[in-house]
Amino acid sequence: EAGVAQSPRYKIIEKRQSVAFWCNPISGHATLYWYQQILGQGPKLLIQFQNNGVVDDSQLPKDRFSAERLKGVDSTLKIQPAKLEDSAVYLCASSPVPGGFGYTFGSGTRLTVV
Amino acid sequence: DQQVKQNSPSLSVQEGRISILNCDYTNSMFDYFLWYKKYPAEGPTFLISISSIKDKNEDGRFTVFLNKSAKHLSLHIVPSQPGDSAVYFCAASSIQGAQKLVFGQGTRLTINP
Repeated sequence: EAGVAQSPRYKIIEKRQSVAFWCNPISGHATLYWYQQILGQGPKLLIQFQNNGVVDDSQLPKDRFSAERLKGVDSTLKIQPAKLEDSAVYLCASSPVPGGFGYTFGSGTRLTVV
Repeated sequence: DQQVKQNSPSLSVQEGRISILNCDYTNSMFDYFLWYKKYPAEGPTFLISISSIKDKNEDGRFTVFLNKSAKHLSLHIVPSQPGDSAVYFCAASSIQGAQKLVFGQGTRLTINP
C-alpha cells in the first residue's frame, strides 16, 4: 500500500509571497487532514476533509490560508501572503474513517519564510 | 489551551534500561489515546493506542498505561534500544476515537549505548 505523498519536501520563500503544498492520500481514505507543526510543538490541526467536504477548519487562519480537496482525492493547502510565523512543517494525514483509527501521515513539507 | 501536555521536552536513557514517557490531558471527553514516533524528516508513525475502557495495552517492548482518574498516560519501552531514539508524541481523541487527534508537544528520547 502506497503511503501519503506530499510535495514539495522543502520550500523557502520570502514573507508576503505565496506558496502551495500538495497531498495525495492513501487510496480509498475518505478523511484527509492538514496539520501544522511548529518547531518544538506538537502537530496542530488546520483543516479536516471528509471526501471533498470540510468537517473542521476552526483553526485555519482563513485570512491567509486556504485548502481544497477536489474530487475527494488529493488536496492542496495554500498560504497567501506568508508570514514569518508560518515557518513550520506542514503534515498531511489520511484515514479510512474520521478520527484516530488508521491515521497515516505523510513526510511533510518544511516551509521556511524569510 | 493545551489539552494534551508532555512536560518533559527530552529524556535520555541507557540502552537496555526502561524508558518512561509521560502525558497528561485535561479534556475528560477524550476516550482514545495514541502514541506516535517521529524520526527527523519523516512524518509521525503510529506506535500504540489505548481505549479509555482499558488501563493497559501491551505490544512487544511497548506498553501504554492509562490512569483516567489522574488524566495521565505513560508509555514504557523496555528494553530500550538505540533505534528508539526519536520524538514521541502523545495524542488523544473523543467519541470513541472518531474525532480529530489533539497532540502533545512531544518528548525527544535519546537512547545512549
